[in-house]
Amino acid sequence: EAGVTQSPRYAVLQEGQAVSFWCDPISGHDTLYWYQQPRDQGPQLLVYFRDEAVIDNSQLPSDRFSAVRPKGTNSTLKIQSAKQGDTATYLCASSPDSNSGNTLYFGEGSRLIVV
Amino acid sequence: GDSVTQTEGLVTLTEGLPVMLNCTYQTAYSTFLFWYVQHLNEAPKLLLKSSTDNKRTEHQGFHATLHKSSSSFHLQKSSAQLSDSALYYCALRGSNYQLIWGSGTKLIIKP
Repeated sequence: EAGVTQSPRYAVLQEGQAVSFWCDPISGHDTLYWYQQPRDQGPQLLVYFRDEAVIDNSQLPSDRFSAVRPKGTNSTLKIQSAKQGDTATYLCASSPDSNSGNTLYFGEGSRLIVV
Repeated sequence: GDSVTQTEGLVTLTEGLPVMLNCTYQTAYSTFLFWYVQHLNEAPKLLLKSSTDNKRTEHQGFHATLHKSSSSFHLQKSSAQLSDSALYYCALRGSNYQLIWGSGTKLIIKP
């Protein structure tokens, strides 16, 4: 069974540039999460979806970050006008059922450096 | 509100010694606890999970027992290996089904 796939694995931007991260969850998983993990810190939830619906985006900096999951499968996280403080690894995770024991399966992450 | 506390930011041990990483939590919701392990430059992976009070759960040589009376879910291993060096996160399923993560414990095993 294929795991969670993310791309690109790495991105280096100058401040003010935009970037999009893509995530393909495990087939059949209805719940998809985006986390931000700054260096030497734990994962911090940005947004999560159940199918195509946003369940919680309260931690997503809405002025520059956006996330979509239009068909309830793949998802894209976009950062517009990146700042140095956005430097982090962006982790996508999927789960078969948000109402279950919430085992999350993580992708390898997309590492972003903003200079 | 829901919270998870991992008191040790860094634990350094010699190979062969026992491991114990502390995790306590606070929740008014039903209790589901997790341990995730993150090796260097890798994504977090589930190590253990439990929702059953006083039942030991084991995986890959690690074990933990959920104690609701003390709100604890400490991670243990009888004999540390070099390959156990990693970040360990305790997490709680919160009232909105999100995971509430602890701050993590970095475990370093030395020869």
